[in-house]
Amino acid sequence: EPEVTQTPSHQVTQMGQEVILRCVPISNHLYFYWYRQILGQKVEFLVSFYNNEISEKSEIFDDQFSVERPDGSNFTLKIRSTKLEDSAMYFCASSRGSVVVEQFFGPGTRLTVL
Amino acid sequence: QQQVKQSPQSLIVQKGGISIINCAYENTAFDYFPWYQQFPGKGPALLIAIRPDVSEKKEGRFTISFNKSAKQFSLHIMDSQPGDSATYFCAASRVSNFGNEKLTFGTGTRLTIIP
Repeated sequence: EPEVTQTPSHQVTQMGQEVILRCVPISNHLYFYWYRQILGQKVEFLVSFYNNEISEKSEIFDDQFSVERPDGSNFTLKIRSTKLEDSAMYFCASSRGSVVVEQFFGPGTRLTVL
Repeated sequence: QQQVKQSPQSLIVQKGGISIINCAYENTAFDYFPWYQQFPGKGPALLIAIRPDVSEKKEGRFTISFNKSAKQFSLHIMDSQPGDSATYFCAASRVSNFGNEKLTFGTGTRLTIIP
C-alpha cells in the first residue's frame, strides 16, 4: 500500500540554524500539506500546496518557513532560522484531491532545537 | 469559529466495552469529518470519515455518529481491544472544488483499554 515517507525521522539542530525536512508524498496525489504537533498537543496546520504554489498558510507559517517541490516526488519544508519553539513533530500529508479528499500522513520528523 | 472541541481528554474502557469520544464544531462550512488514530511516535492514521449527508457511518467496530443540527459528531468503538489503546483525534475541513482544505484537529483523546 502506498504511503507518505519522511526523512529524517529525527533532526537535532542549534537555534538559528536552517533545517530542511523532506517528504515523499503518495505518487498520484496532487495536494500536499505540512502540519506540526508540539509534544502532547493537537496537530496544527502549517501550509497546503497545490499546483506548485501555496494554497493556504496558517499564522504559524511566517517568513522563516518555506515549502518547495523541487522535483516530481519530493516536498520539502525549510525553516530558515530555527527557534526553540520550533521543536515539534512535523508531519507531511498528501491527498489525491478532487472527489477523493482523504489526507494521508507520514510518520513525522521530530525536530529538536537546542 | 475554526475550533473543534473534543472530549474526554482521556478515557479508560474495559476490554470488550464501548469507547465513545465526542467532538463539536462551530464552523458550519465544514463538510468533512475524519477521525485519526495515533500511536506514540507515529503519524496520525486515518480511521474513518463522514460527510454531513449521512447521520452514521460504520466500518467494522468503528462507527461515526453525526448530528448536523447540533454540530456534533462522535466515534464509537465497539468491543474495544487493548490494541485500540492510542490517541484519537477528530478533525474537520471544508471540501472545495479543488480538493479538501486544511484539517482542523480536536485536542485528542488518550484511550486506554484495560484487560
